[in-house]
Amino acid sequence: GESVGLHLPTLSVQEGDNSIINCAYSNSASDYFIWYKQESGKGPQFIIDIRSNMDKRQGQRVTVLLNKTVKHLSLQIAATQPGDSAVYFCAESRPSGSARQLTFGSGTQLTVLP
Amino acid sequence: DAGITQSPRHKVTETGTPVTLRCHQTENHRYMYWYRQDPGHGLRLIHYSYGVKDTDKGEVSDGYSVSRSKTEDFLLTLESATSSQTSVYFCAIRRDVNTEAFFGQGTRLTVV
Repeated sequence: GESVGLHLPTLSVQEGDNSIINCAYSNSASDYFIWYKQESGKGPQFIIDIRSNMDKRQGQRVTVLLNKTVKHLSLQIAATQPGDSAVYFCAESRPSGSARQLTFGSGTQLTVLP
Repeated sequence: DAGITQSPRHKVTETGTPVTLRCHQTENHRYMYWYRQDPGHGLRLIHYSYGVKDTDKGEVSDGYSVSRSKTEDFLLTLESATSSQTSVYFCAIRRDVNTEAFFGQGTRLTVV
């Protein structure tokens, strides 16, 4: 499939190391956040989410941290594996009129080195 | 893929022709979204729907219209396709505002 990461920020890590991917969000009214992983030629896949009443949430090998003061999210991947190589996006759910938009950041290309 | 089907998966069309992309879901989710994805821009929201006949614009809605006449289908129409609309289009569905969105496999549209 076509690469969508040609101009994205990149992060290269050694296999087995921990990865930290950062994201700044824009709207202080956003109250729900999601991290997605996208492999080449596929649609984004859900990794983990967090609500604004939390500052940390853990999943299997992944942790999301939320700092509402500076409107910053991070995704930590423990013991990074070759299969983790992908583009990672954060998304924020924010009010828009009577409904809610789901808006994505620009993404980070993670490359896991052998 | 969480009961989402996008059609067609690939399309090549000429400038000035109308194009309709279809998103079909079997999950009975309330929210449906159309995004486009281009190199260096990530996913940009075109339009979204929060119920049958309830739609709203996203950040890049110019040149696009949508319709949702029943829960399961969300159509994206390019009334007169331009080369700048060459992109990969993704549909997403969401049960409610505090749940994750599930994505379709995408439609690659080329306008020549």
